[in-house]
Amino acid sequence: NAGVTQTPKFRVLKTGQSMTLLCAQDMNHEYMYWYRQDPGMGLRLIHYSVGEGTTAKGEVPDGYNVSRLKKQNFLLGLESAAPSQTSVYFCASSPRASVQETQYFGPGTRLLVL
Amino acid sequence: KQEVTQIPAALSVPEGENLVLNCSFTDSAIYNLQWFRQDPGKGLTSLLLIQSSQREQTSGRLNASLDKSSGRSTLYIAASQPGDSATYLCAVISGGSNYKLTFGKGTLLTVNP
Repeated sequence: NAGVTQTPKFRVLKTGQSMTLLCAQDMNHEYMYWYRQDPGMGLRLIHYSVGEGTTAKGEVPDGYNVSRLKKQNFLLGLESAAPSQTSVYFCASSPRASVQETQYFGPGTRLLVL
Repeated sequence: KQEVTQIPAALSVPEGENLVLNCSFTDSAIYNLQWFRQDPGKGLTSLLLIQSSQREQTSGRLNASLDKSSGRSTLYIAASQPGDSATYLCAVISGGSNYKLTFGKGTLLTVNP
């Protein structure tokens, strides 16, 4: 199993450009999550999904949209990138609610917005 | 609002030393507490998960304890090795949510040969 994979690994955007980050998991997990990690801030939840076709807002959802059309994929979109969205983005998945199970993380996507 | 604090922010020790990393949380109504490891430029790897009803978990040279009433957890690493060098993150599930992890900022551990 590849586990959780993220595409791309690194990207540079100009302010106002759009892009989509792709997360894929091959573990048949129900729950999927998008986090951002910033120096001095720790990891913060952006959006999450509890199953195919569902999405919900996390702690810092503004400026991002998500979709979960297929169970194995969770997409994170930036419609109009801003320098404040420069960060490392991590996707994670878990078989069910994290009270019982840990989350499995992807390797991250480094995004620089100029 | 749950807040998770990790002390120290950075720690440097010689190889072979036993060490303790600390984690504290403000809201004791947690469902579980997890310790993760993050290597530079990589994602997070789960090390130990302690349910709220448990007091400790062990995996190899790692032992994590949980004192829910005092809002504290410790990660004990025995006989440290250079390969243990990484950032260690503590996270809790709380606040009526069964999925939302609240993370600390981590402790950067360096084990010197």
